Amino acid sequence: DIQMTQSPSSLSASVGDRVTITCQASQDISNHLNWYQHKPGKAPKLLIYDASNLETGVPSRFSGSGSGTDFTFTIISLQPEDIATYYCQQYDNLPLTFGGGTKVEIK
Amino acid sequence: EVQLLESGGGLVQPGGSLRLSCAASGFTFSSYAMSWVRQAPGKGLEWVSGVSGSGHTTYYADSVKGRFTISRDNSKNTLHLQMDSLRLEDTAVYYCAKGSSRSPVTGSDSWGQGTLVTVSS
Repeated sequence: DIQMTQSPSSLSASVGDRVTITCQASQDISNHLNWYQHKPGKAPKLLIYDASNLETGVPSRFSGSGSGTDFTFTIISLQPEDIATYYCQQYDNLPLTFGGGTKVEIK
Repeated sequence: EVQLLESGGGLVQPGGSLRLSCAASGFTFSSYAMSWVRQAPGKGLEWVSGVSGSGHTTYYADSVKGRFTISRDNSKNTLHLQMDSLRLEDTAVYYCAKGSSRSPVTGSDSWGQGTLVTVSS
């Protein structure tokens, strides 16, 4: 199975701050990586697909980069509504696997 | 607009069975793979099972292989998950998720709100 190591597990930042989350795959997954936002009691929401493509309707303050084994997710200016847990997921091979999640809070 | 509505969750004793359903609308159901993903209390997301658009190909996580069965009825735009021999560690919110392609080896671009399964004596 492909292991996805996501860090940090949590972070606290101020409104307007730049937030960066990393995800490392245990083997080359090309660009087969999604980033999701998950708020309590809600459906997870796809933000970034194929490592760097912004899903339709998602604000441009969200971005993703990387390929191979190392990936980065960035919120360029944190907003109060961005409070959530963020997950990376690889879909290069089955079983599909997720990173452990990053809980983002407002300082 | 894609809509996915899960149902069938509830409280069940260890060793019991439950059947989850997911009613889909807003897209051509048979053209996309579907998955079940779960989140145990206080834990992260875990992929459970996937099925191809045709329903002919199914995949399972090792943790549920031999106990869970995924299926779909493309005539009714419905996804199912038959869960047998349930264990305490199967307690979770179960999400139905639409794939981005026909192949189960794909990410999910839409998710339902989830249904809670509690396994307890």
